[in-house]
Amino acid sequence: QSVLTQPPSVSEAPRQRVTISCSGSSSNIGNNAVKWYQQLPGKAPKLLIYYDDLLPSGVSDRFSGSKSGTSVSLAISGLQSEDEAHYYCAAWDDSLNGVVFGGGTKLTVL
Amino acid sequence: QVQLVQSGSELRKPGASVKVSCKASGYTFTHYAMNWVRQAPGQGLEWMGWINTNTGNPTYAQGFTGRFVFSLDTSVSTAYLQISGLKAEDTAVYYCARSLIAATPDFFDCWGQGALVTVSS
Repeated sequence: QSVLTQPPSVSEAPRQRVTISCSGSSSNIGNNAVKWYQQLPGKAPKLLIYYDDLLPSGVSDRFSGSKSGTSVSLAISGLQSEDEAHYYCAAWDDSLNGVVFGGGTKLTVL
Repeated sequence: QVQLVQSGSELRKPGASVKVSCKASGYTFTHYAMNWVRQAPGQGLEWMGWINTNTGNPTYAQGFTGRFVFSLDTSVSTAYLQISGLKAEDTAVYYCARSLIAATPDFFDCWGQGALVTVSS
């Protein structure tokens, strides 16, 4: 059972927009910056979003992050087949004194 | 370019030990901490802890104390993860990932390719 809660899977058609939610508590998302990582099949994770809504250099602006209270969302617009991957949210947890990850969401582009 | 290159796959028997390496290049090794993340087969990511490459001070996450040891060789810009008393449930891919040195781990902006450790008799 992960500390951060994500839906196990989402799916959407190409060129559409999808959002992936991640909910936590005041000890993690509510008080600390959230990151999103993308893990393509068989590959290492890659930083997608940091400090809740910032994109690292080289990441497509089709990806965006938002935060409200103890929940965050990752939005992907103009879906492409290469976006098929697992997506993980992460944050520091003040109570556990550690980095916590969501369970991951598998995105399928129909 | 910034790169973390990990050692290869390992097969060990239960009770044995294994040491995974993570060699950094393209940046000043001691300017970033090194984190370790475990991913069991078909499962999600689990943060194991991190080591301050400046001081050598390791911090272990809950559930990763006792059998897990983080170490460094700054002369070759390499971090190590050693696991002793291996159990079948330690079978996983182990990733190293760098983050800025701070009071708590910041974002992981560069990851190693992962090292598969298989524990089987």
